[in-house]
Formats: sequence, structure tokens, C-alpha cells
Amino acid sequence: DIQMTQSPSSLSASVGDRVTITCRASQSIGTYLNWYQQKPGEAPKVLIYAASTLQSGVPSRFRGSESGTDFTLTISSLQPEDFATYYCQQSYTTPYTFGQGTKLEIK
Amino acid sequence: QVQLQESGPGLVKASETLSLTCTVSGGSIRSYYWSWIRQPPGKGLEWIGYIYYSGSTNYNPSLKSRVTISADTSKNQFSLKLTSVTATDTAVYYCAGDIVVAVGATRGWFDPWGQGTLVTVSS
Repeated sequence: DIQMTQSPSSLSASVGDRVTITCRASQSIGTYLNWYQQKPGEAPKVLIYAASTLQSGVPSRFRGSESGTDFTLTISSLQPEDFATYYCQQSYTTPYTFGQGTKLEIK
Repeated sequence: QVQLQESGPGLVKASETLSLTCTVSGGSIRSYYWSWIRQPPGKGLEWIGYIYYSGSTNYNPSLKSRVTISADTSKNQFSLKLTSVTATDTAVYYCAGDIVVAVGATRGWFDPWGQGTLVTVSS
């Protein structure tokens, strides 16, 4: 299985801050990497697919990038509604695997 | 807009079989690969497997010996069976779709998702 390692596992930040979450794949997955946002009691929602393409309707403050097997989700200016848990997921091969999640909390 | 709704018992006894159904509305079951994904309380996401309407399936090797995913195109539904459950199978179970873009190819990400249903395994 391809292991997806996210860091950090939790993060405290303030409204207006710029935050970065990293996901590292255990092997090459090209750009088959997706980012999801999950709020308590809700299903995950895709934010970015194919490493850097913004899903329709997702604010432009979210950005994804890739460098080899390292992938980054950046939120340029945190808004109150962005406090949630974020997951990366590889779709390069089955079994599809997710990172362990990054919980973004209000400082 | 395609919507998904999970249904099934919220409580299953240990060693028995967990059975859930996902009903697809607002679109054709033939247009997606349909997955089951679970999330133990307070933990991360685990892909269980998928089915295409033709009956083609792919399961996570970690669960393969206990999992069956099936589809009923006449009802626009697909189902999950997980046998010999234990407390470690307690989780919110989600159904989710990955749209087909070409023969044998999908977009590669899950959208839409059902709201999820909590299944607790009791001893």
C-alpha cells in the first residue's frame, strides 16, 4: 500500500494567518493527490484534485502544489469557516489511501 | 445533482454481518464507480472498496476476506456486507462516488459523498 504521511497532525492558527499542510507519499504517485476538508459531523468535501486543481466553488485562498512525492495545501488567509480537519488522498493506485489528517484549530 | 443516502442498522453484534445500502438519486448508478469508506470515531478515513454497475469490484486487501460490495441497478442502489465484525469495525460508514470519464477511467476523487451512518459493534 502507498502510505500518505501528513504533517502536522494538528495546527493552531488565527483568522488571517497563512497556513501550510504537507502530505508525503511513500512512493511516486504523479499528481494523483486530492485534498479534502471535513467539518465535525459532516462528510469530507473535495477541495483540490490532481494536486493543484481547485474544485469548483472552492475559494481561491486554497492552493495545492506538488514537488516529487511531497504535496502541500496552503490556505493564504484563514477564514473562520476554514477551521476543520484536512485529509490528503492518493488515487494513483488501489487501495486508495488517506493521510491521517491535520486538525486546524483556532488559536 | 447526484445525492447519496446510506441506510442500515446502527448496531451490529460482534461476529455478525454488517449490512449497509447506499441509494443514489439525481443521477445514474452507471456513471460512477461507487466506494465505501469508513471512519472510526475520532480517527482517519479508510477506503473499503468500490463497485462499478457492471459488477466489477476492487477491495482493500486489509478487508478483502470479509467484504462484499454489490449493486442493484434496478433500484439505483449499492450495498456493503462486512462479515465477522468486531469492535474495531465500529465507524461511520460513508458511500461515495468517483465519476467515470472514459472506459475504465475515473476522475480519481470522491464526490459526491453520503452523509455517513454510524455503525456500532456491540459485544
